[in-house]
Amino acid sequence: GAVVSQHPSRVICKSGTSVKIECRSLDFQATTMFWYRQFPKKSLMLMATSNEGSKATYEQGVEKDKFLINHASLTLSTLTVTSAHPEDSSFYICSAPSQASTDTQYFGPGTRLTVL
Amino acid sequence: KQEVTQIPAALSVPEGENLVLNCSFTDSAIYNLQWFRQDPGKGLTSLLLIQSSQREQTSGRLNASLDKSSGRSTLYIAASQPGDSATYLCVGLNGQNFVFGPGTRLSVLP
Repeated sequence: GAVVSQHPSRVICKSGTSVKIECRSLDFQATTMFWYRQFPKKSLMLMATSNEGSKATYEQGVEKDKFLINHASLTLSTLTVTSAHPEDSSFYICSAPSQASTDTQYFGPGTRLTVL
Repeated sequence: KQEVTQIPAALSVPEGENLVLNCSFTDSAIYNLQWFRQDPGKGLTSLLLIQSSQREQTSGRLNASLDKSSGRSTLYIAASQPGDSATYLCVGLNGQNFVFGPGTRLSVLP
């Protein structure tokens, strides 16, 4: 089946630095990808919709200047956490809808970010 | 390995009916269980989150229960409306991994 990968799987960075997380659809094209964030012991929440060739759409309360999303190709979306702070530490997951059925989504394995 | 199944795969009901969506997981060692709604081409919308220590959560016409001993969660939708038509996913957090159910595609007919 279709696979979505994320890189890196884990990253630790210092406060104030920027971190880039990649989401790739490995055997299919995705004009849209979704980014989610999970807070410890809390729910998984949609952050933004990444659109190939156009600006991302952010959910209410998500700072677009802090979480930069670039969908440079039909198989790659990147999420850059800028000027990271400890409160940005979280688990970030991306997903991409199936080309055959938009009711089906494929999820990446996630990236755990720890900001010291 | 934790696996999540959802029954039924698809469901079509007339407007106004109460309905139940089922989610089963193979390993009771989940931290929490979350129900999402997915509209075609859209990201997941969180509906309800049940922590491991909880048994149920309610939001409006939605009620979700969690029975860890049997490895089951149910999503109850009261007085269904055409706007409820969507795919509903249950997602379990097992350790540091998320396990996604395949979804139930719901159609509520006017």
